Amino acid sequence: SQKIEQNSEALNIQEGKTATLTCNYTNYSPAYLQWYRQDPGRGPVFLLLIRENEKEKRKERLKVTFDTTLKQSLFHITASQPADSATYLCALPTGNQFYFGTGTSLTVIP
Amino acid sequence: GAGVSQSPSNKVTEKGKDVELRCDPISGHTALYWYRQSLGQGLEFLIYFQGNSAPDKSGLPSDRFSAERTGGSVSTLTIQRTQQEDSAVYLCASSSRLAGGADIQYFGAGTRLSVL
Repeated sequence: SQKIEQNSEALNIQEGKTATLTCNYTNYSPAYLQWYRQDPGRGPVFLLLIRENEKEKRKERLKVTFDTTLKQSLFHITASQPADSATYLCALPTGNQFYFGTGTSLTVIP
Repeated sequence: GAGVSQSPSNKVTEKGKDVELRCDPISGHTALYWYRQSLGQGLEFLIYFQGNSAPDKSGLPSDRFSAERTGGSVSTLTIQRTQQEDSAVYLCASSSRLAGGADIQYFGAGTRLSVL
């Protein structure tokens, strides 16, 4: 099975700065990796997907990288805003299942 | 159209009672997942349904847990003889498959189960 580690339980940054979240996994590299956002009392919401043959994927202020050699994905939010405050989860598929990290709680301070 | 709907949103029950949690997936989604999320923990896979195939039950923690999906749509997760350690948020997701085989999951808001 996969073990997924996401960096530090909580990350606080100043508004306007770039937030960088890390997702490390231990075993085989999946065909793709996903990032989700979860707000309190809500289910996760899909943000971005990156495939194993892609180094980088962008969507508006979001950027994801995928390094299968390091077994790591980085998730960046540029020009962060207080509305970006949430918990961010990475997810890796294996067979019929998805393994989710425990998430990184991001707080953007005005 | 509507997203994934779960009911009830909150359920308080006494230890030893049975509970049923319901999930209405997005119309047309053939895949459906149940997860459990305990406080401060990641999502724990419970069960997966895909069309008319036999479900993948490998994540169910004990035989007190069961799930069914009727007509390829609505799913019910049943927990018998609830224990306090069953207290958690139970999340349901349905998914659509992108070209290339990737699944995007759409989650409901979850059912928060509290076992007293």
